[in-house]
Amino acid sequence: DGGITQSPKYLFRKEGQNVTLSCEQNLNHDAMYWYRQDPGQGLRLIYYSQIVNDFQKGDIAEGYSVSREKKESFPLTVTSAQKNPTAFYLCASSNRGRGDTEAFFGQGTRLTVV
Amino acid sequence: RKEVEQDPGPFNVPEGATVAFNCTYSNSASQSFFWYRQDCRKEPKLLMSVYSSGNEDGRFTAQLNRASQYISLLIRDSKLSDSATYLCVVNPLTGGGNKLTFGTGTQLKVEL
Repeated sequence: DGGITQSPKYLFRKEGQNVTLSCEQNLNHDAMYWYRQDPGQGLRLIYYSQIVNDFQKGDIAEGYSVSREKKESFPLTVTSAQKNPTAFYLCASSNRGRGDTEAFFGQGTRLTVV
Repeated sequence: RKEVEQDPGPFNVPEGATVAFNCTYSNSASQSFFWYRQDCRKEPKLLMSVYSSGNEDGRFTAQLNRASQYISLLIRDSKLSDSATYLCVVNPLTGGGNKLTFGTGTQLKVEL
C-alpha cells in the first residue's frame, strides 16, 4: 500500500535533548513538508523540500533542522534550541508542479517535553 | 496580513442545515486550492480540490473567486458526521515550487 508513515506516534523527551522524528513515503512524491499544530490551532509550516538535497525554511523554522538525502525520507530534528517543542507534528508529501499538488499526511507524532 | 485566513468558528448548526465557509488568500498568483477536513487529534485529509470553474461532490460544493481572492465551501443537508475542522489550503507555487499553506481552520459542530 502506498502511503506516508511517521514514527513514533507518541514521543516524550527531556528538556534540553534533541530528538528526531521520522517521515517516510512510498508515493514517489518529490515535495515533502513538516508542519506543527498546537491545540486549537492551524498547521504552521516548519520546513519543506521540493527535491532531494534541497529544502527551505517555512514560517517557524527556528529550533528545527531537516535533511533530504533520499526522496522517500524527510526526518525532522527538534533541537534543544526550540523553546516550546510540545506539539503535534505532521509530515506531508505531494507532487510538484501546477496540478495534483494535494498533500497526503502521515498520522502525526505527538511530542511532549517533560 | 496572513497568507490564508479563515473564520475559526465554531459554527454550531442543526442537522440538515446548509453551512458555508469562506477563506481568503493574499497571494494573487496562487495556483492551487484545496479544502481539507481534520477530525479531533487526527491528521488532515483531503476533502476536495477547488477548481476555477467550481466543483461539486455530493453535498459539498467548492468555489474559487480569483478577483476577490477567496475560496468557499458549501455543505448542504449537514450530518452529525460532518462535525470536524475544515482547513483551507493554498499553494502559491513560489519560485516554481510548492509551499502548501494552511489556514487556521473553521470548526463545525452539527447538532441534533
